[in-house]
Amino acid sequence: GPKVLQIPSHQIIDMGQMVTLNCDPVSNHLYFYWYKQILGQQMEFLVNFYNGKVMEKSKLFKDQFSVERPDGSYFTLKIQPTALEDSAVYFCASRKGTGQLYFGEGSKLTVL
Amino acid sequence: QQKVQQSPESLIVPEGGMASLNCTSSDRNVDYFWWYRQHSGKSPKMLMSIFSNGEKEEGRFTVHLNKASLHTSLHIRDSQPSDSALYLCAASRGGNYKPTFGKGTSLVVHP
Repeated sequence: GPKVLQIPSHQIIDMGQMVTLNCDPVSNHLYFYWYKQILGQQMEFLVNFYNGKVMEKSKLFKDQFSVERPDGSYFTLKIQPTALEDSAVYFCASRKGTGQLYFGEGSKLTVL
Repeated sequence: QQKVQQSPESLIVPEGGMASLNCTSSDRNVDYFWWYRQHSGKSPKMLMSIFSNGEKEEGRFTVHLNKASLHTSLHIRDSQPSDSALYLCAASRGGNYKPTFGKGTSLVVHP
């Protein structure tokens, strides 16, 4: 089936550093998402992105967060600076119009 | 307050048994419901979706939807140990909006 690729699978960084999480969505998908999941629990919406713009973001999407997809390449989530509470698994997802979300395998972020 | 409530939080069923999971949305604008399954350490994969009142069956899985009460349920018959996973319910307004997920039901099927 369709695959969403995420790089890296795991990143360990010191608090205050910058991190960029990369997502390669399914090729013909138009809508892109980032979700945050802590300890295998609730999947919490961060942001969705369409046609080069942020469509909607949650209160979890702090000022230190940003997303972009320059020239149709990776869809990225950047956190600068990171905080301890940013430790989580970040899932990228994409969808084509209406229909299900396809999730990547996640990027586990550990902030020390 | 959670907009998507799932119950129970955890469920243990014997192999071959029936597992029943529930989900209710408090957002009266939602009309699409999704069930995802997430095995430990893996990504969520969609199991079933339902948009119309009634019932939908795919193999051992049956999903019900009551749009008036915004309640959906997932039933797994002849449960297998491989069904052990976190089951996430999601609801959205139409097909294009962001799905909001519940906290999930952790299902354990013991041999």
